[in-house]
Amino acid sequence: DAGITQSPRHKVTETGTPVTLRCHQTENHRYMYWYRQDPGHGLRLIHYSYGVKDTDKGEVSDGYSVSRSKTEDFLLTLESATSSQTSVYFCAISESGGGRARGEQFFGPGTRLTVL
Amino acid sequence: GEDVEQSLFLSVREGDSSVINCTYTDSSSTYLYWYKQEPGAGLQLLTYIFSNMDMKQDQRLTVLLNKKDKHLSLRIADTQTGDSAIYFCAETTGGGNKLTFGTGTQLKVEL
Repeated sequence: DAGITQSPRHKVTETGTPVTLRCHQTENHRYMYWYRQDPGHGLRLIHYSYGVKDTDKGEVSDGYSVSRSKTEDFLLTLESATSSQTSVYFCAISESGGGRARGEQFFGPGTRLTVL
Repeated sequence: GEDVEQSLFLSVREGDSSVINCTYTDSSSTYLYWYKQEPGAGLQLLTYIFSNMDMKQDQRLTVLLNKKDKHLSLRIADTQTGDSAIYFCAETTGGGNKLTFGTGTQLKVEL
């Protein structure tokens, strides 16, 4: 299994509080991704990173920010959590990002976030 | 926006074949993927197909690609209870740096 951990694995918080989720990899892969998984929507990309300090938005980035100060860590922050952000969050890593190469993504175990 | 569509549920009997279908949108996708998600876990790559191929076989798995109709299918032969999971198709987008996932198909295998 690819060395990807997510913390915390479960979190319950209240509306309006800030929340930070952490993804840590030991594979030295260049690309890192944050997704959310919701019934009927599959996985939707929130933000991704293509290198240290290099990030870009996905299709559902509103209300989320990210930071990547080291190759191995990618942080997802909800500045002011809302009930609509209750979801399961997955981090993924990829060596190549796709294109000419296979672009396979390896996924972490997920974080279940509940916003009351 | 990009939309990758799948039916939400499929139920089969153990030993039968399962066919999971997917319709994708980006005709420039280089690779198309099938990922499997078991309960409480992240996704794992099951198989993939390069866009210039029509078919790929990997043990019990057969992937068919119809580029004209932008249709991808995954056939699982001799389906077992351990195959019960959610199956996601995905296409490369954004110049290949990103994947767009389908909504997922929940496969239930009954005895």
